[in-house]
Amino acid sequence: AQRVTQPEKLLSVFKGAPVELKCNYSYSGSPELFWYVQYSRQRLQLLLRHISRESIKGFTADLNKGETSFHLKKPFAQEEDSAMYYCALAPSGGYQKVTFGTGTKLQVIP
Amino acid sequence: DAGVIQSPRHEVTEMGQEVTLRCKPISGHNSLFWYRQTMMRGLELLIYFNNNVPIDDSGMPEDRFSAKMPNASFSTLKIQPSEPRDSAVYFCASSLAGVNYGYTFGSGTRLTVV
Repeated sequence: AQRVTQPEKLLSVFKGAPVELKCNYSYSGSPELFWYVQYSRQRLQLLLRHISRESIKGFTADLNKGETSFHLKKPFAQEEDSAMYYCALAPSGGYQKVTFGTGTKLQVIP
Repeated sequence: DAGVIQSPRHEVTEMGQEVTLRCKPISGHNSLFWYRQTMMRGLELLIYFNNNVPIDDSGMPEDRFSAKMPNASFSTLKIQPSEPRDSAVYFCASSLAGVNYGYTFGSGTRLTVV
């Protein structure tokens, strides 16, 4: 069974401080990991995928297979980063039954 | 492409009434997913289709819930009869199966059952 754990429901940081949103996963195969973001009362949007090794809006995430983690990081938080962040896991290839974590609300304090 | 289109955006209905939520996926996407989002349970996958065929409906909470995808460009999620505990935001998402570019979500339908 696949599982995604986001241990923090709420993370509050000051503007300009570093951000790390934690995500751990459980999956027996080789997973594909994603981060989605949901701004207030808007749709979920794909933020980044681990396979593309990209940096979006200053955010990066590294897949650590040893620790089964995929933490989302940003060196300097901005007020506009305040949103809900969801970590998600999908099996490689095939049908995309994606499992989402419960989400972490990031609150950036001005 | 206008993205995944859901209707209505908001629905308020009385307990016991039938509710139908609609979704138009992105053209060319062959997988479609229905999710429910609540404060208590977060995002729950209700059902997903591949090439219009239901693949996994294990997340559908009760027989009151049903979903159809009569063609590649349209899907419905029906609740009959509706109950107050069904109040949630229902999201539809689509993707291209076998290619993990991630989902594209619709704007959601906020359902309130009074």
